[in-house]
Amino acid sequence: ETGVTQTPRHLVMGMTNKKSLKCEQHLGHNAMYWYKQSAKKPLELMFVYSLEERVENNSVPSRFSPECPNSSHLFLHLHTLQPEDSALYLCASSQGGTGATEAFFGQGTRLTVV
Amino acid sequence: RKEVEQDPGPFNVPEGATVAFNCTYSNSASQSFFWYRQDCRKEPKLLMSVYSSGNEDGRFTAQLNRASQYISLLIRDSKLSDSATYLCVVSPVFSGGYNKLIFGAGTRLAVHP
Repeated sequence: ETGVTQTPRHLVMGMTNKKSLKCEQHLGHNAMYWYKQSAKKPLELMFVYSLEERVENNSVPSRFSPECPNSSHLFLHLHTLQPEDSALYLCASSQGGTGATEAFFGQGTRLTVV
Repeated sequence: RKEVEQDPGPFNVPEGATVAFNCTYSNSASQSFFWYRQDCRKEPKLLMSVYSSGNEDGRFTAQLNRASQYISLLIRDSKLSDSATYLCVVSPVFSGGYNKLIFGAGTRLAVHP
C-alpha cells in the first residue's frame, strides 16, 4: 500500500458540477498539503493543514474548499470551477518537527474542467 | 522575481555524460533545500536533501552556496533511467510543525543511448 493515496486519479467535470478529491496518508504524519501543478508552471501550494488545523491558505479562490476531518484524511471540495482550473492536484504529507522534512506525495488527480 | 528559478531545459545528453543543473532562490532566509525528481505524469519524489557542506549520494552530488543563493545538482555517468524533471525545492525559515516547500518549475533531462 502506498504511503499517500489519492482518488480519483482522473476527473472530468463541468463548470456547474460539484466534486471532491480525496487524499489518505498511511504514514502517521501530522501535516497534509494540497498543491496544484499546471503545465510548465511550478507546483503551487494551495492549503496546509497541521494537526488538523488549516495553517495556510495561499489566496486560493473560494470555489476550492479543503476539509481535514482527521490527521489521515484530506479532501478538496470543488464547485463552479473554471477551465483554467484544469491541472494536476497533488496531495502531500510530512512529519512536522524541528526542521523541514521530506514531503511524500500522492499520485495526483488529473482534473479537466469542461 | 520568481522565488525559485531553474533553467527549464531540456538537457539532452548521451548515456555516460555528466550533467549539471543550477537553481537560484530569492529568499536569503531560506533554511532547507532539496532536489526532487518527477517522472512524466507521476508525483514528485525526494532525490536528496542539500546541505551547506555539500553532499553526495552515489552518482549525484548537491552543492549549496548561501552567499550566492545558488544550489546545484551534478549527475555523473548518466543512465537512461535518469530521464526525468528535476525540481529544486526551498523551504523558508521553519514555520513550526509543517514544511512550506517552494518549488522551482523544474529542469527536464533526457538521456539517450
